[in-house]
Amino acid sequence: AQSVTQPDIHITVSEGASLELRCNYSYGATPYLFWYVQSPGQGLQLLLKYFSGDTLVQGIKGFEAEFKRSQSSFNLRKPSVHWSDAAEYFCAVGEDQAGTALIFGKGTTLSVSS
Amino acid sequence: DSGVTQTPKHLITATGQRVTLRCSPRSGDLSVYWYQQSLDQGLQFLIQYYNGEERAKGNILERFSAQQFPDLHSELNLSSLELGDSALYFCASSVEEGGTQYFGPGTRLTVL
Repeated sequence: AQSVTQPDIHITVSEGASLELRCNYSYGATPYLFWYVQSPGQGLQLLLKYFSGDTLVQGIKGFEAEFKRSQSSFNLRKPSVHWSDAAEYFCAVGEDQAGTALIFGKGTTLSVSS
Repeated sequence: DSGVTQTPKHLITATGQRVTLRCSPRSGDLSVYWYQQSLDQGLQFLIQYYNGEERAKGNILERFSAQQFPDLHSELNLSSLELGDSALYFCASSVEEGGTQYFGPGTRLTVL
């Protein structure tokens, strides 16, 4: 069965430091991959997505992610974190080739220290 | 603002009751998805509709049902509520099946 693993439950990063959130997926075919962010009391906002093509994808708010098929990974990165980036981040994979349903990881909570 | 609206924002009810959650998709989106977010289970897909037809089912209990109306809004009906049904329920929509899903702000259900 398809699955998504986010190994880090909670990460604390200093403001201005770089960030990498890990995501590993288990999927037989070419996956549709997504990163969403959820601020406290808010819904899910799409940061970026990968369907095909260039394996380095750019998203909103200065985020990027790299698809590595050999490692079954889709890690999220940001070169310089801002205090407003503190939130919960979810990696998700489309359940089938059409990406009908999303399977989410358990999420990584990001705290930003000053 | 994703353009997906959900009402109500909060709902508090008692065990054994029935509630209806409502979702209006983004303008032009034909597909609606329902997800449940709970502390122990995380985010789980419940059910998907496309242009009024049920297209996919996930971990949806038999006590739960949904439908999509001709104007494309969707309702999720939860009956015989149990304490464990307390969760955040999200609706998402996409233009087509398999397209990028945009999420609403959610409805927080508390069952007492």
